[in-house]
Amino acid sequence: AQSVTQLGSHVSVSEGALVLLRCNYSSSVPPYLFWYVQYPNQGLQLLLKYTTGATLVKGINGFEAEFKKSETSFHLTKPSAHMSDAAEYFCAVSDRGDYKLSFGAGTTVTVRA
Amino acid sequence: DADVTQTPRNRITKTGKRIMLECSQTKGHDRMYWYRQDPGLGLRLIYYSFDVKDINKGEISDGYSVSRQAQAKFSLSLESAIPNQTALYFCATSASGDLHTDTQYFGPGTRLTVL
Repeated sequence: AQSVTQLGSHVSVSEGALVLLRCNYSSSVPPYLFWYVQYPNQGLQLLLKYTTGATLVKGINGFEAEFKKSETSFHLTKPSAHMSDAAEYFCAVSDRGDYKLSFGAGTTVTVRA
Repeated sequence: DADVTQTPRNRITKTGKRIMLECSQTKGHDRMYWYRQDPGLGLRLIYYSFDVKDINKGEISDGYSVSRQAQAKFSLSLESAIPNQTALYFCATSASGDLHTDTQYFGPGTRLTVL
């Protein structure tokens, strides 16, 4: 089974500042990679995913993530934080065709006015 | 209308009671999953089903059972609830086939409290 590590359980940023959330996985074969967001009292919503091809992936709400095979990383960024970005973010991976996801512990983002 | 629905959304019960959480989906997906979310632990897989006749244990299946009544319905049962089963429970679905790349779609969650 895949192991997923999200560095930092809480991140606080100022409105307009860069958001950077880190995710590393353990696998010798590039997996499928996902970022999900959970707003308060809601389910998980897919932000973006990497499957194949271009390693820089753009998602919804201005987020993007870059797959770096050499670093086994899939960090999530947004150039300018908005108050509405306050949520919990989960990185997830699956072995291709395994149809099961392994999740990181999550990172809670707070945005300061 | 939501594609993946869960009932109830909130439930408080007592130790030893039998509880059923229900999940329905209108996405037409063949694969369904149950997870629990605990603070600091992310989501952990309880059970999954790849079609109506296929049920598989996940990493934390002890104390839980499931039923896949139809392609669109997948229920999770706690036969005798205990306090450490207090958690947020999510149902998810996905479609088979390489084109769908293991992407899962989640319901809104059920918050279960066992006293």
